[in-house]
Amino acid sequence: AQSVSQHNHHVILSEAASLELGCNYSYGGTVNLFWYVQYPGQHLQLLLKYFSGDPLVKGIKGFEAEFIKSKFSFNLRKPSVQWSDTAEYFCAVGGSQGNLIFGKGTKLSVKP
Amino acid sequence: NAGVTQTPKFRILKIGQSMTLQCTQDMNHNYMYWYRQDPGMGLKLIYYSVGAGITDKGEVPNGYNVSRSTTEDFPLRLELAAPSQTSVYFCASSARGQRASYNEQFFGPGTRLTVL
Repeated sequence: AQSVSQHNHHVILSEAASLELGCNYSYGGTVNLFWYVQYPGQHLQLLLKYFSGDPLVKGIKGFEAEFIKSKFSFNLRKPSVQWSDTAEYFCAVGGSQGNLIFGKGTKLSVKP
Repeated sequence: NAGVTQTPKFRILKIGQSMTLQCTQDMNHNYMYWYRQDPGMGLKLIYYSVGAGITDKGEVPNGYNVSRSTTEDFPLRLELAAPSQTSVYFCASSARGQRASYNEQFFGPGTRLTVL
C-alpha cells in the first residue's frame, strides 16, 4: 500500500529563515504528488502539485518542491519564511481510488 | 462558486446518538470524498464516491455510512456515535479527468465533532 512519511512533526523558525520540509513516499510507479497547507482553524488548501515534467515545481506564496524519483522524495522549500506561514503542512500522494494519501503533517511555527 | 460547503461547523453528540454531516459542491465534480483528521495522524479516507449512485469504502469506514443520490451532495451518516468518532471531518471533491489530474482535490471547511 502507498504511504507518505513526513520527517518533522514540528518545526520552529524565525522570520526570514529558510525552510525545508521532508516528504518521502513509498510507491515506485507513476505518482501524483501534492503539498497542502492548513492555516489555523481553516481547511486544506493546495500549495503545489507535481504530475510530470519539470521536477522543480513552483507553487503559491513563494513555495517550491523538488521531485527526486531516485530518493522517493518531494521536499517542500521556501527561501525566506514569514510569520504568516505558520500553519500545518501536509504532503500527499494520489491513490488508486482518486483519493489522496496523506502524511501525518508538519506544524510550522514562525517566530516574528 | 462556493466550492465545497459543509454543515454543521461544530457539533457535540452523546454516545449512541446519530447525525448526518452534510457536504455539497457546486463545481460539477464527479469524485467526492470524506476524510477524518485526528491530531498528529494526517487525514484518513472514510468513504468516497466516483459519481451519483456509486460509493465505496475507504481506509476507516466502520461506524459510518454514505449515500450519493446527486452529483452535488455527499452526506456522511453516523448511526451510533462513539467517542472514537471525535474528530474533524473534511469533505472534498475532484474533477473526473485524465489519471494525472483527477487527484487534485478541493476541500470544505470541515466539521468538528465531539462525542461525549
